[in-house]
Amino acid sequence: ETGVTQSPTHLIKTRGQQVTLRCSSQSGHNTVSWYQQALGQGPQFIFQYYREEENGRGNFPPRFSGLQFPNYSSELNVNALELDDSALYLCASSLGAASPYEQYFGPGTRLTVT
Amino acid sequence: AQSVTQPDIHITVSEGASLELRCNYSYGATPYLFWYVQSPGQGLQLLLKYFSGDTLVQGIKGFEAEFKRSQSSFNLRKPSVHWSDAAEYFCAVVPIKAAGNKLTFGGGTRVLVKP
Repeated sequence: ETGVTQSPTHLIKTRGQQVTLRCSSQSGHNTVSWYQQALGQGPQFIFQYYREEENGRGNFPPRFSGLQFPNYSSELNVNALELDDSALYLCASSLGAASPYEQYFGPGTRLTVT
Repeated sequence: AQSVTQPDIHITVSEGASLELRCNYSYGATPYLFWYVQSPGQGLQLLLKYFSGDTLVQGIKGFEAEFKRSQSSFNLRKPSVHWSDAAEYFCAVVPIKAAGNKLTFGGGTRVLVKP
């Protein structure tokens, strides 16, 4: 069974640029959630995708957007990067979007905006 | 306001000593409760979870947590710490009435283990 994978591991971008982060969910999982973890803080929920549809969004501006593909892998896109977007971006997958379903996290993508 | 609080930012403990990490939540109804561990440069691993029933929950790596409704707390414990337990620990919740399993995390407690 393959776990949750994310790419790239690290990324350096300039303010104003756009970035795409990728996540492959664990086998059999149809739900992907994205979290932003700033340095020294707990992760914050960005949004969730369930069967290719957005299924809830946290307090993040529209320049944070996402996609989920038929194989349930997912992308997080961030436009017009700001310095405060520097963070570890975590992807988590689960068997479903309901409460009992445990989320399995990937190792994250470290984004640095200069 | 709904929140999850981990009062201790850092804890230093000697190897072999016991460890207790505090977590308090502020929600109208008891949420689903979780503890995650994050080792340096890695993602989050679930240690244990509480949905209902027995208030003492056993998890992986020798950890346990006790739910106390009267104190709105879900503290994590380990009787004897190993050097490999040095990591950051996060308490997280999913409100019972929430639509879905989106996690809200506390700020984390970093655990340092002295030899």
